[in-house]
Amino acid sequence: EADIYQTPRYLVIGTGKKITLECSQTMGHDKMYWYQQDPGMELHLIHYSYGVNSTEKGDLSSESTVSRIRTEHFPLTLESARPSHTSQYLCASSEYETGLVLGFGQGTRLTVV
Amino acid sequence: GQSLEQPSEVTAVEGAIVQINCTYQTSGFYGLSWYQQHDGGAPTFLSYNALDGLEETGRFSSFLSRSDSYGYLLLQELQMKDSASYFCAASDRDGGGQLTFGSGTQLTVLP
Repeated sequence: EADIYQTPRYLVIGTGKKITLECSQTMGHDKMYWYQQDPGMELHLIHYSYGVNSTEKGDLSSESTVSRIRTEHFPLTLESARPSHTSQYLCASSEYETGLVLGFGQGTRLTVV
Repeated sequence: GQSLEQPSEVTAVEGAIVQINCTYQTSGFYGLSWYQQHDGGAPTFLSYNALDGLEETGRFSSFLSRSDSYGYLLLQELQMKDSASYFCAASDRDGGGQLTFGSGTQLTVLP
């Protein structure tokens, strides 16, 4: 299970602002993921990475972008926040051999006003 | 792609046994895993099945039948702290491609 850290935990931001949600893991896992989850709803995969310089879009269309320059770091950026981006964003990582087992960060609750 | 179905709510009393079912439809399937999420918290991993059969981890067990595209999570000796949402998630290929999550089952444990 990963030690995975997300900052900030809570963020309220105005429409049109650019924001970056930080995610770091200390286990050296190759696979990292970003999920979006509305309250009481399922998790939707928005981005994933299988290693440095590898990024892919998930099943849920998202206006966010990600980068993976270092193994331990997988930030998510919204160039221009909108109220529809209000949600919880969960970062996760996994050992390559057992992708069924994800360790999640505590999440970032984003509110765009 | 994958789609998973699980009941939206289950209620049981403390000390009882409860089973949460999950059926899946996939274009490729490697295995099924289960996660628990308390209100306001992050999902935490409980169990997974890559092979048919039962996996037991303390009070929690998980079962998979590939021929039936079906799995379940069994919770024994229910405690109040088990009240949470439980998600099944399917992986689409060996090495753990992408995990697709079900919509979650809200378990309420009554005293």
